[in-house]
Order: sequence, then structure tokens, then C-alpha cells
Amino acid sequence: DAGVIQSPRHEVTEMGQEVTLRCKPISGHNSLFWYRQTMMRGLELLIYFNNNVPIDDSGMPEDRFSAKMPNASFSTLKIQPSEPRDSAVYFCASSLDQSPGTTQYFGPGTRLTVL
Amino acid sequence: GNSVTQMEGPVTLSEEAFLTINCTYTATGYPSLFWYVQYPGEGLQLLLKATKADDKGSNKGFEATYRKETTSFHLEKGSVQVSDSAVYFCALGHSGGGADGLTFGKGTHLIIQP
Repeated sequence: DAGVIQSPRHEVTEMGQEVTLRCKPISGHNSLFWYRQTMMRGLELLIYFNNNVPIDDSGMPEDRFSAKMPNASFSTLKIQPSEPRDSAVYFCASSLDQSPGTTQYFGPGTRLTVL
Repeated sequence: GNSVTQMEGPVTLSEEAFLTINCTYTATGYPSLFWYVQYPGEGLQLLLKATKADDKGSNKGFEATYRKETTSFHLEKGSVQVSDSAVYFCALGHSGGGADGLTFGKGTHLIIQP
């Protein structure tokens, strides 16, 4: 199995630019999660989807962040406009089903640097 | 709300030493508990999990027991190796069904010296 695929692995951009992060979940998984990791705040859940539908986006920091899942095999996280404080590693994860205790499988992450 | 507290480290041990990384949690209901490991430059990998009180998760010589009375899920290993050097995250999954997002501790950086 290919695992969760994220692209790009590294992104360097300037403040004010639009950034789009991409994720392909494991085939057959119906839940998808976006997390952000920083030294100060650790790992934070941003948003998650079940069957392509956003369920909880309360972790999205502000309106500059948006996420979509147009189909079961693709999701995007967009930041517009980007700011230096958005610099972090962004992880996508997927899980097979919605049962309690189900394992989440993480991608390798996208390291975003906003100058 | 839900929260996870773990020692942040770094924790430095010699090879073959005994390892304990403490993890306590605050949650409503009956959450599932997880330990994830992150090697440098990689994403998180599930190490072990437990879904109900008194369950013991184990993998690769690591163990953790779900203790509801002390709201703890401490990670242990009897004899660590250099290859165990990584960051370890304790996490809880919300109860009540549904694949909700995980709440993570800050992570413990473990360094094993030969």
C-alpha cells in the first residue's frame, strides 16, 4: 500500500501568497484529517472529513484557511493570504472507518515556510 | 475539554536502560488511548493503542496499560535501543463513536546513547 501521500513535501513562499497543500488518503479510508505541528503548540487538529463531508472545522485558525475534499481520494488545504506565523509542518491522516479507537495513518507532512 | 499531559524531555538514556514516559489525560466518557512515534523527517506512526480500561497495548517491546482510575497511559520498555530514538506522542481519541480527531500531548523527545 502507498500510504497517505502529501505534496509538496516542502514549500517556501512569501507573505501574502496563496499556498495549497494536497493529500491523497489511503484507498478505502473514509475519514480524513488535517493537523498542524509547531514547536509552540505541538500537534493541533485543524479539520476532519467523513465521507468527503467536513464534520468539524473548529480548529481552523481563521478565515484565511480553507479545506476541501471533492472526492474520496483527494483533499486540499489552502491558505490565502499566507503569513509568517503559518510556518509549520502540516500533516494529513486518514482512517478506515468511524469506530472508536480506529487507527489514523499519517502522511509524511508538508513543511511550510512563509517568509 | 479533553487534554493530554506528558513529559516533554528530552529524555536521554543509555542503551539497554529501562524506559518510562508518563502520560495522563483529562477526558469525558471513555476515550481510546494511543502512543504514536515520529522519527526525524517522517510522519507519525502508530506504536500501540488501548480502547478500554485495563487494556494493555504492546508493540516492538513497548507496552502501555489504560488506567482509568489514575487517568494514565504510561509507555514502558524494558531495554531500549539506539534505534528507539524518536519523539513519542501520547494521544486520546474522543469517545461516543465516530472517527473524531485526536488530541495529542506535546511529545517526548527520547535520545538513546550507545
